[in-house]
Amino acid sequence: DIQMTQSPSSVSAFVGDRVTITCRASQGTNNWLAWYQQKPGKAPKLLIYLASTLQDGVPSRFSGSGSGTDFTLTISSLQPEDFATYHCQQANIFPLTFGGGTKVEIK
Amino acid sequence: EVQLVESGGGLVQPGGSLRLSCAASGFSFSNYWMSWVRQVPGKGLEWVANIKEDGSEKYYVDSVKGRFTISRDNAKNSLYLQMNSLRAEDTAVYYCARDAQFLQHWGQGILVTVSS
Repeated sequence: DIQMTQSPSSVSAFVGDRVTITCRASQGTNNWLAWYQQKPGKAPKLLIYLASTLQDGVPSRFSGSGSGTDFTLTISSLQPEDFATYHCQQANIFPLTFGGGTKVEIK
Repeated sequence: EVQLVESGGGLVQPGGSLRLSCAASGFSFSNYWMSWVRQVPGKGLEWVANIKEDGSEKYYVDSVKGRFTISRDNAKNSLYLQMNSLRAEDTAVYYCARDAQFLQHWGQGILVTVSS
């Protein structure tokens, strides 16, 4: 199985800050990598797939980058509605596996 | 609008069984892979299983193989997860989701609690 490691596990930031979350896979994923946003008590929402493709309707302040085993989710200017937990997920090989999540909190 | 609505969760004793259902609407159900994902409250996400459009292929995470069965009824636009020999570690919110790999649409989730 491919292990996904996210860092940091939590981050505190101000509105307007640039926030970067990283995700490392234990082996190559051929860029079959997704990012999800999850708010408390809600289902995850797909933000980015194929490492850097923005899902329809997702604000352009979100971006994804990386290749091979190392990936990054960047929020260019944090907005109040962005405070949530973010999960990466590899989709290259079954079983699909997720990172442990990164909680973005208000500073 | 795509809608996925789970049902069938609840409290069950260790060793017991439960069948989750997911009613789909707003898209052509028979044209999509479907998946189950679970989440222990306060913890990360764990993919559980998925099933091909016609039910001919199914995949499971190792921890549920032999105990859980994913199935679908395309005539009823419904996805199922039969869970047998349940263990305390199966306690989680279970989500159904559309697609095999990048999960574009999710249900609201249903809580399954395994406890005596």
